Amino acid sequence: DQQVKQNSPSLSVQEGRISILNCDYTNSMFDYFLWYKKYPAEGPTFLISISSIKDKNEDGRFTVFLNKSAKHLSLHIVPSQPGDSAVYFCAASSYNAGNNRKLIWGLGTSLGVNP
Amino acid sequence: GAVVSQHPSWVICKSGTSVKIECRSLDFQATTMFWYRQFPKQSLMLMATSNEGSKATYEQGVEKDKFLINHASLTLSTLTVTSAHPEDSSFYICSARWDRVLYEQYFGPGTRLTVT
Repeated sequence: DQQVKQNSPSLSVQEGRISILNCDYTNSMFDYFLWYKKYPAEGPTFLISISSIKDKNEDGRFTVFLNKSAKHLSLHIVPSQPGDSAVYFCAASSYNAGNNRKLIWGLGTSLGVNP
Repeated sequence: GAVVSQHPSWVICKSGTSVKIECRSLDFQATTMFWYRQFPKQSLMLMATSNEGSKATYEQGVEKDKFLINHASLTLSTLTVTSAHPEDSSFYICSARWDRVLYEQYFGPGTRLTVT
């Protein structure tokens, strides 16, 4: 049961253009959503987050949009740079059995930015 | 800020032996740390949530007797893979949560475990 879904396993864009990475979720109890970037053989790096009470959050080249009614969020990277090439994970914050917050992860989207 | 280290970065061990992986938050205190496992070309699988001074909470399907977690201080959690088998070979990643921002996690660089 995949509660957080990233339906595109890969995406390729040209340098300077916009990259749009999509994420869908099923659990309406999620209250925070996060995007992480991961290079091979490294731990994920936090990029940007959004609270469920907002519909947009912007940080430099990165903007996350949240559509609660559609249970959909997207990460926009403008302009895309070759160094952005990595796997991007969408994650949603929830609680585990011990009432601790945990992250539910999507399967990731591999972004390739071509020079 | 919010730096998390892991040691070792890679380890090779023989079947039947035990391996300990350390996770440290270097510049902040972390009441809660998390242990993940990642298989090639797959997502991060949460194994357990580690709370300082108490027993870890394991996710369904994770053997608590095989993957021993100890969180003895606010900056250190350890994962011990006991009686390792080749199928335990994987990339293990820890993360730590800064108590002031409960929904974010900061990740270590990961440990590549190979069991021969």
